Amino acid sequence: AQKITQTQPGMFVQEKEAVTLDCTYDTSDPSYGLFWYKQPSSGEMIFLIYQGSYDQQNATEGRYSLNFQKARKSANLVISASQLGDSAMYFCAMRERNAGGTSYGKLTFGQGTILTVHP
Amino acid sequence: DSGVTQTPKHLITATGQRVTLRCSPRSGDLSVYWYQQSLDQGLQFLIQYYNGEERAKGNILERFSAQQFPDLHSELNLSSLELGDSALYFCASSVDPSYSYEQYFGPGTRLTVT
Repeated sequence: AQKITQTQPGMFVQEKEAVTLDCTYDTSDPSYGLFWYKQPSSGEMIFLIYQGSYDQQNATEGRYSLNFQKARKSANLVISASQLGDSAMYFCAMRERNAGGTSYGKLTFGQGTILTVHP
Repeated sequence: DSGVTQTPKHLITATGQRVTLRCSPRSGDLSVYWYQQSLDQGLQFLIQYYNGEERAKGNILERFSAQQFPDLHSELNLSSLELGDSALYFCASSVDPSYSYEQYFGPGTRLTVT
């Protein structure tokens, strides 16, 4: 089974509008972290936002917020007031504990969503 | 700028050759991770090091190896290269893997095998 699922291969949004990028995850570990990264056409991976599984409130970072619904295992990214520079690939990722449960290791990524912002 | 540096930025080499990719983590970060991004496989975890020791292994081929040195920089060695090894290779670092801290990615090394 896929650990991270991003069901939207591509999304379009008008400049200045809000957009939600979907992400669902699958884990049996009660302690995990969820991340969103942005990858512009230049290729670098830019960290956007982080949500811990025990965090009570949804994470926010400027125009980015993470709609964390633990029971539904979803961690959708909301970008408010879209800008042309937001056009990029967006990846949802999850970090679980390594075998042994003493530390955190790899990030498991979804397939990504290409966001295009129209003027 | 994430603070993670990777060299070289681009690498073009022939099948059968061997290359070394280098990564310097952010100041203070003890853990280094390597990822491979290809069109068919997406972003995949290869290997993690923490303070010089291997901590976790992903889908890393036997032809690939890595190490983390006492100064905490890391190298990923790819040998007997095949066309399918062409990909973007990322290094990431984090402070302490005892906590689910965010990982900061370097700019990547784009490897092209011809």
